[in-house]
Amino acid sequence: GESVGLHLPTLSVQEGDNSIINCAYSNSASDYFIWYKQESGKGPQFIIDIRSNMDKRQGQRVTVLLNKTVKHLSLQIAATQPGDSAVYFCAENEGKLIFGQGTELSVKP
Amino acid sequence: GAGVSQSPRYKVAKRGQDVALRCDPISGHVSLFWYQQALGQGPEFLTYFQNEAQLDKSGLPSDRFFAERPEGSVSTLKIQRTQQEDSAVYLCASSLVGRTMRPQHFGDGTRLSIL
Repeated sequence: GESVGLHLPTLSVQEGDNSIINCAYSNSASDYFIWYKQESGKGPQFIIDIRSNMDKRQGQRVTVLLNKTVKHLSLQIAATQPGDSAVYFCAENEGKLIFGQGTELSVKP
Repeated sequence: GAGVSQSPRYKVAKRGQDVALRCDPISGHVSLFWYQQALGQGPEFLTYFQNEAQLDKSGLPSDRFFAERPEGSVSTLKIQRTQQEDSAVYLCASSLVGRTMRPQHFGDGTRLSIL
């Protein structure tokens, strides 16, 4: 069936380092993906999206890479800050969003 | 406000009671979605509206769950005869047009606890 999953459930990085969060998806027909950040007690916050006709998309301090050959997404956060600490979800948008379990990012000062 | 607004933020009910959760989407957003999020898990789809039409309710777990959006703006998710397994955070999201190729913007959810 359809599923979106993350390789690493937790990630701990030093402030100022770059972070990479990975995600695998199973539906090769998926054509739109979104990364969300969720802080405790809050709803998922949109970070960046990418369509399947792209391999890379950059935002402010964030980059999403899409490898359709191996059905893999990654989110790169440059110069990670304590405020980046949260759970990060990738989601596959097929009308409804299909979320993975999430990766908890912890930033050490 | 500019974002999706949900109320109440917290709801405690006794098993067997009915509850109603409200969502105010971003103004002008045609599409509205409800999701259920269990502790430590990603949100799971419940239902989808385009304007006032409920086009997909495939994620509703039972006939105790009912959602409506009568005027194409505010939506209400109702759960009848609540059970302990209904305890979760219920998230509402809206998007500008259509279901695909558009990011969904979420509210902060209603945390429902069934005693």
